[in-house]
Amino acid sequence: GAVVSQHPSRVICKSGTSVKIECRSLDFQATTMFWYRQFPKQSLMLMATSNEGSKATYEQGVEKDKFLINHASLTLSTLTVTSAHPEDSSFYICSADVEAGDDYGYTFGSGTRLTVV
Amino acid sequence: AQSVTQPDIHITVSEGASLELRCNYSYGATPYLFWYVQSPGQGLQLLLKYFSGDTLVQGIKGFEAEFKRSQSSFNLRKPSVHWSDAAEYFCAVGAGEYGNKLVFGAGTILRVKS
Repeated sequence: GAVVSQHPSRVICKSGTSVKIECRSLDFQATTMFWYRQFPKQSLMLMATSNEGSKATYEQGVEKDKFLINHASLTLSTLTVTSAHPEDSSFYICSADVEAGDDYGYTFGSGTRLTVV
Repeated sequence: AQSVTQPDIHITVSEGASLELRCNYSYGATPYLFWYVQSPGQGLQLLLKYFSGDTLVQGIKGFEAEFKRSQSSFNLRKPSVHWSDAAEYFCAVGAGEYGNKLVFGAGTILRVKS
C-alpha cells in the first residue's frame, strides 16, 4: 500500500535554531500533504495543508512565518520550525492524500518527536 | 464546524473480551469517517473508513465500525480483543471543502488485561 516516509523520527535542537522535517510519499504522487501537531496526551491538530507548487494553507492560529512549509515536488513536503523555542516541542506528523481507483484515504508518516532545549 | 467526540478517555478490557469504542461526530452533510490506531511514539495507522454505501465497515485486524446517521455515531468494535490491540484509538471526520482535512477526536486509550 501507499507509504509516507517521515524523517527524522526524533530531533533535539537548541533554542533559536531551525529544524527541518521531511515528508516523502513513496511509490505515489501526493499533490496535497497535511501537517499535524500532537501535544502530549492530546489529539492531533491540523496545522497546515501543503500544496505542490503553491503556498501552503495554514489553519487559524498557526504562525506561517514560524512553521515554513515547502512542497516543491509531488513526493516531498518539508516543515521547517524556525527559531525554535521549548514550547515548540511536540510530535509532528504528516499525511498525504492517496487516490488509487475506488480506494481513497490518507496515509500518515511515522511522526517526528521534536524536543527544543 | 465539524467536531468529533470520543467520550471514553480510557477503556480497559480483558483479553478475549469484546470491545466497543464510541465516536460521535458533528457534521452537516454525509461525513467521511475514519478510525486510526496509534502506538506510543508512532504514527497513525488506518483501521477503516466510511465514505458511503454499506454502513457496516470492515477494517484491518478484525475491527469493524457501524455508521449510524440517526445517532451521528461511528462506533468501533472488535469481537475478541488481543493484548496487541493495546494502543490509542482516534476517530476522525473529514472536513474542509473536499473533506480531506481530518478533525480528530481526543482519542481513547485501550488497555488490555490478561
